[in-house]
Amino acid sequence: EAGVVQSPRYKIIEKKQPVAFWCNPISGHNTLYWYLQNLGQGPELLIRYENEEAVDDSQLPKDRFSAERLKGVDSTLKIQPAELGDSAVYLCASSLGTNTAEQFFGPGTRLTVL
Amino acid sequence: RKEVEQDPGPFNVPEGATVAFNCTYSNSASQSFFWYRQDCRKEPKLLMSVYSSGNEDGRFTAQLNRASQYISLLIRDSKLSDSATYLCVVRSTGGFKTIFGAGTRLFVKA
Repeated sequence: EAGVVQSPRYKIIEKKQPVAFWCNPISGHNTLYWYLQNLGQGPELLIRYENEEAVDDSQLPKDRFSAERLKGVDSTLKIQPAELGDSAVYLCASSLGTNTAEQFFGPGTRLTVL
Repeated sequence: RKEVEQDPGPFNVPEGATVAFNCTYSNSASQSFFWYRQDCRKEPKLLMSVYSSGNEDGRFTAQLNRASQYISLLIRDSKLSDSATYLCVVRSTGGFKTIFGAGTRLFVKA
């Protein structure tokens, strides 16, 4: 069974440019998460979806970040405009449900903002 | 104060050694606890859940102390392949909020 798929794996952009990340969760997983991970830190939740509904976006910087999961499957995370401090790894994870023990993570997108 | 705190290490141990990591959490309403493992430049993967009575999975033992609000992970007979970062994860009541610690780095040397 395929795991969580993310693309691109790496992205280098100049500051003030827009960038988008794509995630395809494990089939049948209703809950999807976007995390940000800085070097030497644990993943920090940006947004959590239950099907197509964003049920927790309290940590998403809404002035520049947006996300969608239109059909309750794939999801995109966008940053516009990107800032130097946005350089990090963006991880997507999915689980069967919110109370399910295990979250399955994708390989992440490593973003570098110059 | 961070909601979940871990000693960042690194812990440098020889093969065959026993090593233990602790993790403290601040929210007394936390309900579920896990250890995840993250290899260098890889994604986190669930190592084991932590149950109130403590639980063991091969060389790994996890324990929970609700009164003192900490969880621990014990690794016996360390292998070179155990070298990784171990992330403590705490989930609040209802599973609505999951907090990852910053991780403890372990290096097992021959």
